Amino acid sequence: GQNIDQPTEMTATEGAIVQINCTYQTSGFNGLFWYQQHAGEAPTFLSYNVLDGLEEKGRFSSFLSRSKGYSYLLLKELQMKDSASYLCAVNGDQAGTALIFGKGTTLSVSS
Amino acid sequence: DSGVTQTPKHLITATGQRVTLRCSPRSGDLSVYWYQQSLDQGLQFLIQYYNGEERAKGNILERFSAQQFPDLHSELNLSSLELGDSALYFCASSSSRDRGWGEQYFGPGTRLTVT
Repeated sequence: GQNIDQPTEMTATEGAIVQINCTYQTSGFNGLFWYQQHAGEAPTFLSYNVLDGLEEKGRFSSFLSRSKGYSYLLLKELQMKDSASYLCAVNGDQAGTALIFGKGTTLSVSS
Repeated sequence: DSGVTQTPKHLITATGQRVTLRCSPRSGDLSVYWYQQSLDQGLQFLIQYYNGEERAKGNILERFSAQQFPDLHSELNLSSLELGDSALYFCASSSSRDRGWGEQYFGPGTRLTVT
């Protein structure tokens, strides 16, 4: 079967750094995506990893280890607007480019 | 604004009814995806179309069907609605057909409430 696990909730304070972990077990692997979703809104793309290592994009970085079936999203210099749900998604070996999503991690940033 | 449009924004209907959700992809994107998001299940892939043809199928019920038209817009038809079908339905589009780089752009969603 296919399984993607993330913590349900995390809290942090403004200016801090937070790491959101994701572990996956899928039939095949063709890339891992992170999306941000504010309540009641559409998911928006944050990052994509297909090779092992760290991808940095401004305040956000994402890491992948394919051998461990593990990824994390690192958010630096947290701002109140970063309070949202963060979704880990994998493109497995099924036909097409459909994504299998984890249930998401709700991050609450306080001042 | 992702460039993906969905109508209607909200839909309230009764059990047993049938509804149609509409999606227009970003200009130039040939792939359209439908996802269902409920509180307990998270975001679940339903179906993908590429240039008018069904490309991949996920956890789509037999009561649900979709199609993509020559102008690339897509419709998701939900019939014999049940209370459990109440959810946010998202459409997404991308330029990719198969494996590999394929960032998906999500529309604003249609919130369906079945009473």
